[in-house]
Amino acid sequence: KQEVTQIPAALSVPEGENLVLNCSFTDSAIYNLQWFRQDPGKGLTSLLLIQSSQREQTSGRLNASLDKSSGRSTLYIAASQPGDSATYLCAVNHMEYGNKLVFGAGTILRVKS
Amino acid sequence: EAQVTQNPRYLITVTGKKLTVTCSQNMNHEYMSWYRQDPGLGLRQIYYSMNVEVTDKGDVPEGYKVSRKEKRNFPLILESPSPNQTSLYFCASSLTINLNTEAFFGQGTRLTVV
Repeated sequence: KQEVTQIPAALSVPEGENLVLNCSFTDSAIYNLQWFRQDPGKGLTSLLLIQSSQREQTSGRLNASLDKSSGRSTLYIAASQPGDSATYLCAVNHMEYGNKLVFGAGTILRVKS
Repeated sequence: EAQVTQNPRYLITVTGKKLTVTCSQNMNHEYMSWYRQDPGLGLRQIYYSMNVEVTDKGDVPEGYKVSRKEKRNFPLILESPSPNQTSLYFCASSLTINLNTEAFFGQGTRLTVV
């Protein structure tokens, strides 16, 4: 059974810091991994999608890497801003489960001004 | 604007009173699904649909029904809601069953069953 773990569960940093969020998964048979952002009372916003054949994806201040063989992904946020405060979720699209996403519990990020 | 729209956003209902949460997408996506999000349990898939008239159970389908009569709509039906169905519900869609397409989520429906 695929399980996804995110570390840390919560993170509080001062504005301007670079930070790393971690995601690990138990079964490397994935098609892709997607990072989402969730704001309180709102839906999930897709940040980055990494296909299983890719090593990383970048969008603005965000960079996500994928090491499928070791079952790990990291989301790097450069020069963090208070507007980055949200819950960050990673989800894997597992081969056995069709297009179902298996989610981690998330990392709650607070960036202090 | 490409989006997945759920209604209502908030709903309080009583045990046993049938309700429907609507979901509509304007991206001509084939694949749609429903998730529920609970503290400590994360997001879990309820039902999914690969195309019109094709639906199947996810991880937690008990107490729910769905239908896919049109490509754009995928309503979630609770025939007899119970308090353990109090949760935050999300509808999602992606282009095809091709497994490297991005998933788009609705804004969520917070349901309380008393």
